[in-house]
Amino acid sequence: QQPVQSPQAVILREGEDAVINCSSSKALYSVHWYRQKHGEAPVFLMILLKGGEQKGHDKISASFNEKKQQSSLYLTASQLSYSGTYFCGTEWAGTASKLTFGTGTRLQVTL
Amino acid sequence: DTAVSQTPKYLVTQMGNDKSIKCEQNLGHDTMYWYKQDSKKFLKIMFSYNNKELIINETVPNRFSPKSPDKAHLNLHINSLELGDSAVYFCASSRGRGADTQYFGPGTRLTVL
Repeated sequence: QQPVQSPQAVILREGEDAVINCSSSKALYSVHWYRQKHGEAPVFLMILLKGGEQKGHDKISASFNEKKQQSSLYLTASQLSYSGTYFCGTEWAGTASKLTFGTGTRLQVTL
Repeated sequence: DTAVSQTPKYLVTQMGNDKSIKCEQNLGHDTMYWYKQDSKKFLKIMFSYNNKELIINETVPNRFSPKSPDKAHLNLHINSLELGDSAVYFCASSRGRGADTQYFGPGTRLTVL
């Protein structure tokens, strides 16, 4: 039941782009994206709500496809500071207020 | 000022002991959560309180008991600790229920020997 993220891990050189996908087996109400650096707490990136399609700030954006029950996180011109594990948190229709986090994607940006 | 704080940061204890983790938020939020992150980094919700009322109670052994004395505090008491309880426990808070940003505390790393 946990949302499945792909890829599981990715290594990028600084300046390269990446896409992280989050697929749900249930109808989505909202999708939250978080980044967690090693030994730290998850930090909020953005929320996408049902009915909305794309959001972004700086060089990180995300899309939400209700039909496919999935969301994608886009990282462009990656920086060293983007390294960490990315989690999607899905809120399913009918279970408002509960986030079910995905399997995580470990991203490493190198020089 | 720390928005969501937890104590202690590290907790090392023997099997069978009872321990508590405390959480406080100074954001004025109505909803608080406990999450468990295991060694594989899976982040799983355990409990949630909204205005001191328990609203989410996942399939968690009843050795785990949350308590919310007021909106700003949420504690987690664990009885008869087992090896499998070793994990990082995160407290979080959000303004309301539903699609609201959750702010996480720094986590408590619990090691059961």
